[in-house]
Amino acid sequence: AQRVTQPEKLLSVFKGAPVELKCNYSYSGSPELFWYVQYSRQRLQLLLRHISRESIKGFTADLNKGETSFHLKKPFAQEEDSAMYYCALEDSSYKLIFGSGTRLLVRP
Amino acid sequence: GAVVSQHPSWVICKSGTSVKIECRSLDFQATTMFWYRQFPKQSLMLMATSNEGSKATYEQGVEKDKFLINHASLTLSTLTVTSAHPEDSSFYICSAMGQGATGELFFGEGSRLTVL
Repeated sequence: AQRVTQPEKLLSVFKGAPVELKCNYSYSGSPELFWYVQYSRQRLQLLLRHISRESIKGFTADLNKGETSFHLKKPFAQEEDSAMYYCALEDSSYKLIFGSGTRLLVRP
Repeated sequence: GAVVSQHPSWVICKSGTSVKIECRSLDFQATTMFWYRQFPKQSLMLMATSNEGSKATYEQGVEKDKFLINHASLTLSTLTVTSAHPEDSSFYICSAMGQGATGELFFGEGSRLTVL
């Protein structure tokens, strides 16, 4: 079954600390994975996708097929990073399957 | 980036009435739009895929007669919750697939439905 798991509902860190938001997936094919972010009172927006292998706002995510993971990382968290983060998997029909989301709270 | 707009942002209705939610792609054409539902503190669940000019494809467990989807043009998809009941109260979000090779999805701001 296709599934995306984000085990942490809330992750609280201090400004400047490293951040890792965990995401594990279950998919029979070759996955296409994304991280979406929703800032307070704003719409959901794409943060990054694994295929582009880019770094957005200092965040990176590496697809680990052996561990079926796509964890989101940032070496030094900023207060403006506080938001809701969703990991998502795109199936062959372009449908997105979302994880339950992790709220990141960066404290000053 | 491309903009997707939903209307209304929130709506309160009486049980038994029908409610229509619009999803518009403002500056691009979208042949495919998706409708999601989000319960409090839970993930977005895909309800259906809306394709312009054809019938929507519903996910398992989603009643197509309950949630009517119409994608009449390349910039507009509508979701009508028919004979709404309190259990239909939820946050409904649409997304539209952008043009180009990346196929990036752009999301509407969501519509909160409360059925009394």
